[in-house]
Amino acid sequence: DSGVTQTPKHLITATGQRVTLRCSPRSGDLSVYWYQQSLDQGLQFLIQYYNGEERAKGNILERFSAQQFPDLHSELNLSSLELGDSALYFCASSGQGQDNQPQHFGDGTRLSIL
Amino acid sequence: GQQVMQIPQYQHVQEGEDFTTYCNSSTTLSNIQWYKQRPGGHPVFLIQLVKSGEVKKQKRLTFQFGEAKKNSSLHITATQTTDVGTYFCAAPNQFYFGTGTSLTVIP
Repeated sequence: DSGVTQTPKHLITATGQRVTLRCSPRSGDLSVYWYQQSLDQGLQFLIQYYNGEERAKGNILERFSAQQFPDLHSELNLSSLELGDSALYFCASSGQGQDNQPQHFGDGTRLSIL
Repeated sequence: GQQVMQIPQYQHVQEGEDFTTYCNSSTTLSNIQWYKQRPGGHPVFLIQLVKSGEVKKQKRLTFQFGEAKKNSSLHITATQTTDVGTYFCAAPNQFYFGTGTSLTVIP
């Protein structure tokens, strides 16, 4: 158990819809990362938050947004969903968000767009 | 932009054979991390390399960081079925994960 909690585990929805994925980091971790993993693909970095503030942004679409709340949990919002958004979405956390710290991953949310 | 290539993409080995995956960057890396993702699971941190030429071992796993800090390798000696999974290198300062090498071990 990594200590990172992601909900829901599975999400099935239709094109054009909007969903929210939730992540609770490990106790004491201030930094949260979001990744997208498509079939047979590596992990694509989306965005990083540190202590409530956006720290780094990767290949995140304009239809996607995220935030980190005062209690340090984070949400990833995906809107105007397309078939290509079907993927496994991982959240990871680390202590201070420095690049010399390991990231601890949750079990992921599997998003299926019909 | 940052280019980090990982090869091979897939590797099938007989149990007991050795396995190596390579990670190559077009630019110098400050550090590199390795993760393992079991089928149906999430990536799990294995190790971090920081120093030029660094070599670290974890039981049957040997990790190396190149002298120029542009490449790294993971070598598994005498693979076991428990080694099955995808191994990713990561350049954390670029938030980059390699495409991974999927290892299948045939009993």
